[in-house]
Amino acid sequence: NAGVTQTPKFRVLKTGQSMTLLCAQDMNHEYMYWYRQDPGMGLRLIHYSVGEGTTAKGEVPDGYNVSRLKKQNFLLGLESAAPSQTSVYFCASSYFRPGQGGNIQYFGAGTRLSVL
Amino acid sequence: GENVEQHPSTLSVQEGDSAVIKCTYSDSASNYFPWYKQELGKGPQLIIDIRSNVGEKKDQRIAVTLNKTAKHFSLHITETQPEDSAVYFCAATRGSQGNLIFGKGTKLSVKP
Repeated sequence: NAGVTQTPKFRVLKTGQSMTLLCAQDMNHEYMYWYRQDPGMGLRLIHYSVGEGTTAKGEVPDGYNVSRLKKQNFLLGLESAAPSQTSVYFCASSYFRPGQGGNIQYFGAGTRLSVL
Repeated sequence: GENVEQHPSTLSVQEGDSAVIKCTYSDSASNYFPWYKQELGKGPQLIIDIRSNVGEKKDQRIAVTLNKTAKHFSLHITETQPEDSAVYFCAATRGSQGNLIFGKGTKLSVKP
């Protein structure tokens, strides 16, 4: 009953450092997403994946890279962290239903990242 | 691209009263409109959704209405309880990938 699991839960980085956020889902979902949540800004899509080995840019992709080598995992990388990347990051996954627009997205509990 | 506006940004009601949150969208091709509830320190969780071929959907104390002509949809919570206090997000999409465009959220406070 794990659903979507994000690690780590909290992280503090110095400007210029790199890190990888891990998202794992056990629901066999095809689609996975990375969002960032900032006060007053709602949730904004960074990158997403429609299947193993595929990735695509979302609304705010600059400064981030992603990889989906396994269906159940979706990694978000920051190569050179900047204070503007201080945010709460959420991963989500959803299943694919042919012919129907829109799928229920299941979210993880989030990773709170501070870049000093 | 799609743009979703959500109002109000904060809403305070007395326990037992009703709460209404409204969203408008810009893309007439959008066909799926979910509502998510986010409790403090947690990720968003779907509470109700509606598709463009339906005008209204109800689940116990919550309901969603959709006006395709005016391009707006609303969340209605009746008989509010303190545990309804949270941030609520509306969203819209038309893509098969399910890429959601979220509103900026409404912080609902229910006072006992």
